[in-house]
Amino acid sequence: QQQVKQSPQSLIVQKGGISIINCAYENTAFDYFPWYQQFPGKGPALLIAIRPDVSEKKEGRFTISFNKSAKQFSLHIMDSQPGDSATYFCAASSVSGANNLFFGTGTRLTVIP
Amino acid sequence: DADVTQTPRNRITKTGKRIMLECSQTKGHDRMYWYRQDPGLGLRLIYYSFDVKDINKGEISDGYSVSRQAQAKFSLSLESAIPNQTALYFCATSPQAALKEQFFGPGTRLTVL
Repeated sequence: QQQVKQSPQSLIVQKGGISIINCAYENTAFDYFPWYQQFPGKGPALLIAIRPDVSEKKEGRFTISFNKSAKQFSLHIMDSQPGDSATYFCAASSVSGANNLFFGTGTRLTVIP
Repeated sequence: DADVTQTPRNRITKTGKRIMLECSQTKGHDRMYWYRQDPGLGLRLIYYSFDVKDINKGEISDGYSVSRQAQAKFSLSLESAIPNQTALYFCATSPQAALKEQFFGPGTRLTVL
């Protein structure tokens, strides 16, 4: 059973556009929500993360929006660039659950020049 | 030099063969993890280790075993490989403190014929 559900599976955006990837979870014990970015032939790397005590976190062009009551969080990439083309994974973990990460199924983003 | 290294990077083997994937890290982290990545399924945790004497099963440990030879080394074994173990395998490390970033190796692409 997938603990974190991610959509869409793939996304094509024009350069300069906004990319939005959504994730949802059921386990209310989750208290850490990172996003990982993976380029072809590489391992995933942490992009940005949020704790549930805030509703939004922004780092440069990347923003996480978090809705605790809906148990949903999303990644927004503003002014998308071809270099942002990669696979993005949302994840969730909890201190009580040994901090292990449960990953979403991934979104392959393609930014067209 | 890479902080988390995996060997081999690619491996083709036959059904029934025993195979070992190795992971080494120079980050000085106590925690190490093995994941497998399959298209459409994201990353799933196979085993994790919080220190040399602590090894735990993840979501999908059946058919796999691990050995933590030292703080810096964590190996994954397939005792009798089967075709549905064909996947991309990642090792990751993290500090002992809660809710910290996981650092991934470059991955091993394993094909079982």
